[in-house]
Amino acid sequence: GAVVSQHPSWVICKSGTSVKIECRSLDFQATTMFWYRQFPKQSLMLMATSNEGSKATYEQGVEKDKFLINHASLTLSTLTVTSAHPEDSSFYICSATGGGEAFFGQGTRLTVV
Amino acid sequence: SQKIEQNSEALNIQEGKTATLTCNYTNYSPAYLQWYRQDPGRGPVFLLLIRENEKEKRKERLKVTFDTTLKQSLFHITASQPADSATYLCALAMDNYGQNFVFGPGTRLSVLP
Repeated sequence: GAVVSQHPSWVICKSGTSVKIECRSLDFQATTMFWYRQFPKQSLMLMATSNEGSKATYEQGVEKDKFLINHASLTLSTLTVTSAHPEDSSFYICSATGGGEAFFGQGTRLTVV
Repeated sequence: SQKIEQNSEALNIQEGKTATLTCNYTNYSPAYLQWYRQDPGRGPVFLLLIRENEKEKRKERLKVTFDTTLKQSLFHITASQPADSATYLCALAMDNYGQNFVFGPGTRLSVLP
């Protein structure tokens, strides 16, 4: 199956700083990628849909100025958590779809201290 | 209101037995339904897809059924093994292009040796 690579797998940052998470489709081109957030023992919550060459579409309640998404190429989407706060600590996962199937990255565990 | 439920948050079974997980949905009309496996700290991995006109799908020790009248999918793992222990997520695909998924809360399966 297709491979989606996410980096870093974990990151610890200080409150007030920004963190960038990368999501790459390694063996296929993804015009659309998705960013999810997952809290412990809870399911995936879609944050935004990242569209190559255009603005991302954010789900209701997700602050677009806080979670900056850039999809500059067909194989790379980035999520930047700006001015991070401890409540932003979570597991962030990206995915890309192909053939009706969603391929997920390994996830990034963000801890804001 | 729209809702996806999975039968229980956690399920414990004995090795060798058949595990049966349930996914029920309300006020959705999915194009198809998928099951994913998620290990702790990892992104979900696709297992099976079943369309609305299919009653049953099998893959090795896995079997999925889909009843659009009951709005329910059952996911079976036969001859379960400790390595099957993970969280299993059902996902409703809201279009045929794989661009819009809604995930259930997941069931954490533990297979005891």
